[in-house]
This record gives sequence, C-alpha cells and structure tokens, in this order.
Amino acid sequence: GQQLNQSPQSMFIQEGEDVSMNCTSSSIFNTWLWYKQDPGEGPVLLIALYKAGELTSNGRLTAQFGITRKDSFLNISASIPSDVGIYFCAGPGLNAGGTSYGKLTFGQGTILTVHP
Amino acid sequence: DVKVTQSSRYLVKRTGEKVFLECVQDMDHENMFWYRQDPGLGLRLIYFSYDVKMKEKGDIPEGYSVSREKKERFSLILESASTNQTSMYLCASALGLSGANVLTFGAGSRLTVL
Repeated sequence: GQQLNQSPQSMFIQEGEDVSMNCTSSSIFNTWLWYKQDPGEGPVLLIALYKAGELTSNGRLTAQFGITRKDSFLNISASIPSDVGIYFCAGPGLNAGGTSYGKLTFGQGTILTVHP
Repeated sequence: DVKVTQSSRYLVKRTGEKVFLECVQDMDHENMFWYRQDPGLGLRLIYFSYDVKMKEKGDIPEGYSVSREKKERFSLILESASTNQTSMYLCASALGLSGANVLTFGAGSRLTVL
C-alpha cells in the first residue's frame, strides 16, 4: 500500500517563529491535502493542491505540490498560539494504471506546540 | 456547513463487550468513512461506504464491521472489543469518492477498552 512519511514528528517553537513541515510519498499523487486537528476536535482541511508545482496560500499558511508529485510542503509564517495542533498531509495516490485509489492516505502527523 | 456528528465522545468498555459507534451527517453525502487515529501512526482507514447498504474494507478492517442502513448514518461495530482497539475513532463524509473530494470529519470518539 501507499505510505506517507511526514516530518518532523513534533515541533516546539516560540510565538512569532516560522514553521516548515513536509510530506513524502512512496508513489505519485495527483492531489495533496493538508489538514489541521485542534485539540479535542476532528481534522479540518487547510489547503488543497491539485497540480505539480502549485503553490497555494491560505492566510499565513503556504503549501506547495512538489514537482516530482511525491512530496508536499507546508509553511506557517509568524506562528501564534492558536496554531497549536496536529497537522496532517493526505492524498489519494495513483495505482499502476494511473487511476486514483479513491481513498485518502494520511501521514503520521506533525504535532505543533507554540510557546507564547 | 456540513456537520458530522459522533454521538459518543468518550467510551469505556471491557474486553469482550460489543461496541457501537454511531455517526450521522446532515448534508446528503453519498460517502462515509471510519478512521482510527493513533499517535505516530496518523489516520488509518477502517471501512468506508459509498452508498446505503454498501461497504468496502479499508486498510485495517480486522476486528471491525460497519452498517449503513440509511444514507445519513454510518455505524462502526466492534463485535468483541479488545485492548488493542483502544484508540480515537474518527468518522468522515464526502460528496464524491474521488481522491480530490474533501473529507469532513466529526469530533471523534475516544474508546478505552479495559
């Protein structure tokens, strides 16, 4: 099956710092999704990427779809305490025939802690 | 906004008990999913359903079954709970089944099996 490797596993930063995390896949993806899970809640979609090389922003968040279609990156600028949570990458991947599996595979998650 | 509601936020059960986790969505989505979340492992798909009475196995279906008798409701069943099924369970729904469609998650059900 597909595997997504997300790093780092956890980050402890000071308020105001920038954050970078990434995700790599063992197979090519045609869509990359980034979700955030607040403590005690379910994951919520932050950014969706649909094309290799695409760079998309959502406020202080910026995500990129890697050219090789096997990786993606999420950056958070000027972090604030409410950025705390778990960030997941996800994607459907493609099978050998080039069609989507139709099911999302998730990375292991990056736990972000922001100290005021 | 799509709302996915999981009726039980916290459950404590004993080994061997039968456990029902209920999930209801209110936006007429065809597709519903059950994931399990464990630290360091991310979210792993247990089962999904693309229509009433239809179900497909995900990546870790062993020890679980599901029921979808109505479009809005998707239940996860643990026939005989075991301690290794202690976990956070997340239900989700989506309008389409293609990978580009966005999942909307419920708040989760944290199950502890003693």
